[in-house]
Amino acid sequence: RKEVEQDPGPFNVPEGATVAFNCTYSNSASQSFFWYRQDCRKEPKLLMSVYSSGNEDGRFTAQLNRASQYISLLIRDSKLSDSATYLCVVRNNRKLIWGLGTSLAVNP
Amino acid sequence: GAVVSQHPSRVICKSGTSVKIECRSLDFQATTMFWYRQFPKQSLMLMATSNEGSKATYEQGVEKDKFLINHASLTLSTLTVTSAHPEDSSFYICSAPSEGWNTEAFFGQGTRLTVV
Repeated sequence: RKEVEQDPGPFNVPEGATVAFNCTYSNSASQSFFWYRQDCRKEPKLLMSVYSSGNEDGRFTAQLNRASQYISLLIRDSKLSDSATYLCVVRNNRKLIWGLGTSLAVNP
Repeated sequence: GAVVSQHPSRVICKSGTSVKIECRSLDFQATTMFWYRQFPKQSLMLMATSNEGSKATYEQGVEKDKFLINHASLTLSTLTVTSAHPEDSSFYICSAPSEGWNTEAFFGQGTRLTVV
């Protein structure tokens, strides 16, 4: 079993749609959780950290369920510019463990 | 915020040659640098962890004699792909960890290596 698992997609959605990504992790001792965004042939960029209480940043909402070892990302009112790969990342000590990424294409 | 500069951004080399990739921390001291490789449609895979002043730690399955890592100073870590082959063609990216538990890592811009 992979340490961090994501549905690779691709997700093809129209502009304005709401889309949800899920991620599970295997190490219950993991300390920190993140969603990164990666555009083609670029370095990953932090989208948001994920907390058990849930956190929201504009159109983006992230949630962590430690009991189920599950992380989610919700994108509301999708924009064309949201098209990218979204990477679920878990931190164990100083190492970041990366999911495969979920590809999102937002269509006009 | 902290910046990691990676160079070159793109390199094409012939089979059998060696390629050096540099990562510099511009406004902070990086005692540790992570080196990743990413193949198309794959996730970032940690290759090795370089530590300033000591030997790098390699992940299982990564050949230390092929991927030479040097971390000679607190601001520079290098990865040398020796005797490159076409199967080494990939996206290589470095990252310096942040100290805080819930803060981001700092990434270089990545190097796209093509071995022909």
